[in-house]
Amino acid sequence: DAGVIQSPRHEVTEMGQEVTLRCKPISGHDYLFWYRQTMMRGLELLIYFNNNVPIDDSGMPEDRFSAKMPNASFSTLKIQPSEPRDSAVYFCASSFSGGIQSSYNEQFFGPGTRLTVL
Amino acid sequence: GQSLEQPSEVTAVEGAIVQINCTYQTSGFYGLSWYQQHDGGAPTFLSYNALDGLEETGRFSSFLSRSDSYGYLLLQELQMKDSASYFCAVANQAGTALIFGKGTTLSVSS
Repeated sequence: DAGVIQSPRHEVTEMGQEVTLRCKPISGHDYLFWYRQTMMRGLELLIYFNNNVPIDDSGMPEDRFSAKMPNASFSTLKIQPSEPRDSAVYFCASSFSGGIQSSYNEQFFGPGTRLTVL
Repeated sequence: GQSLEQPSEVTAVEGAIVQINCTYQTSGFYGLSWYQQHDGGAPTFLSYNALDGLEETGRFSSFLSRSDSYGYLLLQELQMKDSASYFCAVANQAGTALIFGKGTTLSVSS
């Protein structure tokens, strides 16, 4: 398996522009997570999905952020409009629960998207 | 809510042993996980403790004391490639997602 795939790997944009980050989870995984990592705030959970359904989006910082998972193999995180403080590395991760909710389930992270908003 | 505390930095020399501590406060507890992240890379899973005691996996071991809300990651026979950030993590209240600590940066020198 190719692992979790994210695109683009790097994104540089100007303030006010729309940014869309993409993620393909590992086939068969039923949980998908979006994280943001910065030096100041560490690794923050933004939102996660179970079987394509958003479960908890309480980590999404503002209404400018939105995420979708239209099918089991694709998810997007959109920022509109983007601001310089959104600059961070955004990680997507997936895991397989086997139908049993457990934090034991190893999360597999993608390589991340480094976003720079000028 | 869930919160975790771990040291921000640890330094050691090759061949040494280092312990990275983690204390946590949670509403409900499902276990303590550890992840490793090399600079510029993605976090990768190292270990998970649900019960008290020591779990050993090669040069790495992880310990948990539920009564003390405390755990640690023990790295033995340190190598240069162990230089990385190490994160402890606990589950959210629903037990379905992870909340990560701020991470401990380990620097191994020769």
